Amino acid sequence: GAVVSQHPSWVICKSGTSVKIECRSLDFQATTMFWYRQFPKQSLMLMATSNEGSKATYEQGVEKDKFLINHASLTLSTLTVTSAHPEDSSFYICSATSGLVAETQYFGPGTRLLVL
Amino acid sequence: AQSVTQLDSHVSVSEGTPVLLRCNYSSSYSPSLFWYVQHPNKGLQLLLKYTSAATLVKGINGFEAEFKKSETSFHLTKPSAHMSDAAEYFCVVRPLSGNTPLVFGKGTRLSVIA
Repeated sequence: GAVVSQHPSWVICKSGTSVKIECRSLDFQATTMFWYRQFPKQSLMLMATSNEGSKATYEQGVEKDKFLINHASLTLSTLTVTSAHPEDSSFYICSATSGLVAETQYFGPGTRLLVL
Repeated sequence: AQSVTQLDSHVSVSEGTPVLLRCNYSSSYSPSLFWYVQHPNKGLQLLLKYTSAATLVKGINGFEAEFKKSETSFHLTKPSAHMSDAAEYFCVVRPLSGNTPLVFGKGTRLSVIA
């Protein structure tokens, strides 16, 4: 099946620094990628939808200037958490789809971010 | 609009007994429905999906789910639980369109007792 990777798998950073998380589709072209955030023992919350070559669409309440999303190619999307604070600590998961009707979304393994 | 309700936040079963995780959906379109499993500190793995073909869907690891339009349900079942089945399970809905976001249920934590 299709494989989606994320890098890094976990990261610890100081408050005020920026962190970049990569999401790659390894064996298919992902026209659309989604970024989710998951708090402990909670469900996934959609942050934004990213289409290759265009600006991401952010969900209500998600700060686009804080969570910068770039989808420059059909196999790579990046999420940059700018000026991270402890409340940004979370599990970030991406998913990717080739966009065909009823196509399955494939999820990355997630990136755990801890901001000190 | 689409929504998913997972009726139980936590289900506990004994090893070797049947598993039933309940899910009801609401959709203004004919939906695609999925069950995903998440083990602790891991990403999501697709168990099975329904996309308007057979209403009884078989997935991996012995799981299956039945789409019942009259009941707007998509319950997940397994005849015999294994210890390795202990995880968080998410019922997910998406309209029958390629690039629309998934809508997640709140999840059901399955515990398996030896």
